[in-house]
Amino acid sequence: DAGVTQSPTHLIKTRGQHVTLRCSPISGHKSVSWYQQVLGQGPQFIFQYYEKEERGRGNFPDRFSARQFPNYSSELNVNALLLGDSALYLCASSWDRESWSYNEQFFGPGTRLTVL
Amino acid sequence: ELKVEQNPLFLSMQEGKNYTIYCNYSTTSDRLYWYRQDPGKSLESLFVLLSNGAVKQEGRLMASLDTKARLSTLHITAAVHDLSATYFCASGSNYKLTFGKGTLLTVNP
Repeated sequence: DAGVTQSPTHLIKTRGQHVTLRCSPISGHKSVSWYQQVLGQGPQFIFQYYEKEERGRGNFPDRFSARQFPNYSSELNVNALLLGDSALYLCASSWDRESWSYNEQFFGPGTRLTVL
Repeated sequence: ELKVEQNPLFLSMQEGKNYTIYCNYSTTSDRLYWYRQDPGKSLESLFVLLSNGAVKQEGRLMASLDTKARLSTLHITAAVHDLSATYFCASGSNYKLTFGKGTLLTVNP
């Protein structure tokens, strides 16, 4: 089975632009989470979506938004890019039920975003 | 708010030696994860620890969990160069993972 896939692999943008990152979960997984990993730090939680609804949001500004589609793939959108948004953006999928239970998250290869 | 602290943040080891990475978390959590990350790569799941006293081993790595002390350890036995990477612990609560800052492990000959 294919793992979590993300596109694009790398992206270079300039300040003020908008970016859309895409994620396809493992087949059968209904939950997708997004994390931001700044160089030298651990990943930080941005969003989790389950069955197309936002289930949780981390401490990120409203410039960050996401959605999940009927096929459980997901997009992360970032508006008005800042230099500080440069990071590795990781998507993780998990098989989930309505309540939090044993729910291992499997990470994709990430999208490296550079903001100039 | 859940906080996860790892130490040490940097670890330079000699091949064949043993060492331990410590992971403390601040509030009660459902589970504890250990991940490995190679430079420029994504996260590879190593262990998921679900209950107090849980111990898991894979090759030269062994992870344990003490929920009363809110402490997990990752023990490395007889380090080899292939283990050089950054290791993260993460605690799961509700719907998100909170990660530590990571331990950069370098194994020298």
